[in-house]
Amino acid sequence: EAGVVQSPRYKIIEKKQPVAFWCNPISGHNTLYWYLQNLGQGPELLIRYENEEAVDDSQLPKDRFSAERLKGVDSTLKIQPAELGDSAVYLCASSRGETGELFFGEGSRLTVL
Amino acid sequence: AQSVTQLDSQVPVFEEAPVELRCNYSSSVSVYLFWYVQYPNQGLQLLLKYLSGSTLVKGINGFEAEFNKSQTSFHLRKPSVHISDTAEYFCAVSRSGGFKTIFGAGTRLFVKA
Repeated sequence: EAGVVQSPRYKIIEKKQPVAFWCNPISGHNTLYWYLQNLGQGPELLIRYENEEAVDDSQLPKDRFSAERLKGVDSTLKIQPAELGDSAVYLCASSRGETGELFFGEGSRLTVL
Repeated sequence: AQSVTQLDSQVPVFEEAPVELRCNYSSSVSVYLFWYVQYPNQGLQLLLKYLSGSTLVKGINGFEAEFNKSQTSFHLRKPSVHISDTAEYFCAVSRSGGFKTIFGAGTRLFVKA
């Protein structure tokens, strides 16, 4: 069974530029999450999808962040424009059922210069 | 609201010594508890989970954890660590039947030869 796939693994951009991250969850996993992980900290939820519906986006900074999961499978997280403080690892995870067990991708490390 | 406190930010230990990584949580409802491990430049992977039943949970790589409801703790233990156990360990909690997982700040385990 293929795991959660994320791309790109690394991205370096200038501030004010846009950036997008892509995630393909494990097949059959209806729930998809985007987490933000700052250096030395635990992951923090940005947004959770149930199929194509964003059911929890309360922590997503909507002035510059957006996400979509149009067909209920893969998802894209966008930042426009990026700020220096956005430098972090963006983790995608998926799950099935109600146990809360998460399966993570390897993450996309963003550096904003 | 739920929260997770990992009491040690770093734990240095010699190879083949026992180790305990401490985790306390707060929640007013029943919870599921998890330990995840993150190796450098990788995503998180599940070590073990407590959903219900026996309070002693065994996971991968020889790790185990004990759920203590009265002390609201879920400490992770291993009787003999290896160099390869060097990683960041995250304790996490989610509400039973819910999908929002809260992570602790992490404990860096450093195993020395």
